[in-house]
Amino acid sequence: GAGVSQTPSNKVTEKGKYVELRCDPISGHTALYWYRQSLGQGPEFLIYFQGTGAADDSGLPNDRFFAVRPEGSVSTLKIQRTERGDSAVYLCASSTRGKTGELFFGEGSRLTVL
Amino acid sequence: GQSLEQPSEVTAVEGAIVQINCTYQTSGFYGLSWYQQHDGGAPTFLSYNALDGLEETGRFSSFLSRSDSYGYLLLQELQMKDSASYFCAVRPISGNTPLVFGKGTRLSVIA
Repeated sequence: GAGVSQTPSNKVTEKGKYVELRCDPISGHTALYWYRQSLGQGPEFLIYFQGTGAADDSGLPNDRFFAVRPEGSVSTLKIQRTERGDSAVYLCASSTRGKTGELFFGEGSRLTVL
Repeated sequence: GQSLEQPSEVTAVEGAIVQINCTYQTSGFYGLSWYQQHDGGAPTFLSYNALDGLEETGRFSSFLSRSDSYGYLLLQELQMKDSASYFCAVRPISGNTPLVFGKGTRLSVIA
């Protein structure tokens, strides 16, 4: 597609539920990134994929968070047993190669945990 | 580790020039990037400084001084549409972590 696409744009869930957030990167981009952004803050790094493998998952806050990219294109961020503190905008970005200064971001998935 | 400091808010008049500063503490990085984000929108890449000095792209310029651990984004001929949040970010040399962002500066352009 023309840009990075994220679905859903908004997700409201109850504490303890499981959620999946999807990212469709720009065609041909090998690197994919997940960030989390809280109100008034900068994007916070979660995980980075180069191809199908996670090159760096050091930003995942705990083992409730998991992400996959099985075919090296679309990625899914999975959050188990959601907590109110997980409420944020989850941003996905892609680039032609890893560790570049220019990332192309999607508009994010706003997650609200009640 | 890396930490980046930016002013939280800046207000400037339409048509004027504004400078948004970014000071950083880092164990080493490849370059300094700047991103713009309108409310509810995606962060959008503006510029990247790999080397010290000034990079110019239209009305926007960005500057880096590694010896001073300092950079800035300069916006000229301000327009109302420039009202947005601006983030500086660094690419760390160590590890595989990609961009590390500052907390952002909210720019308000007034008539």
